[in-house]
Amino acid sequence: SQQGEEDPQALSIQEGENATMNCSYKTSINNLQWYRQNSGRGLVHLILIRSNEREKHSGRLRVTLDTSKKSSSLLITASRAADTASYFCATDRGSDKLIFGTGTRLQVFP
Amino acid sequence: DTEVTQTPKHLVMGMTNKKSLKCEQHMGHRAMYWYKQKAKKPPELMFVYSYEKLSINESVPSRFSPECPNSSLLNLHLHALQPEDSALYLCASSPRGQQKFFGPGTRLTVL
Repeated sequence: SQQGEEDPQALSIQEGENATMNCSYKTSINNLQWYRQNSGRGLVHLILIRSNEREKHSGRLRVTLDTSKKSSSLLITASRAADTASYFCATDRGSDKLIFGTGTRLQVFP
Repeated sequence: DTEVTQTPKHLVMGMTNKKSLKCEQHMGHRAMYWYKQKAKKPPELMFVYSYEKLSINESVPSRFSPECPNSSLLNLHLHALQPEDSALYLCASSPRGQQKFFGPGTRLTVL
């Protein structure tokens, strides 16, 4: 399967703490994207990092990419209850096929 | 207009029914996608249309039939589905090599 793996599968933290999710993938990529999905709803794009980039920031989000290890991480700083959702990494090989990882379910307690 | 719309939001159908899912975007994106998502699983790619032509079919059973009438519309025709086809069906659009814009999905239940 081309699907990426994410860990942890589930993560529970308190508001104000940081949340880190990791993604590993199997093939070379053009870019890697992170999406958020609130329960049973559509996906929202968070951030895109290209294969020649190593780190990217967007607000409270920080994404790293290590193409030699075929891995990426998403850090959410100062988490809020509203960050409770499932988070998916997705790899784009430049062929219009965006393949999603297994996802991390994040629960942030007030 | 920066959103992808999907109708209906919910659909219940019997195994002998024929129904269609509809997706619409007015962002001028050249690529449109259908994904299927089972509960607690990641979305799985089904079909990709590029410039209104089917470019990728991920070995989807023929009981699912996609159609792209124009650059803004994408349909998914359903016929003789099985209960295991019950899932959230997500439509997305994008410019090439960039982020995907997803619709809210259609929750399909096959009885």
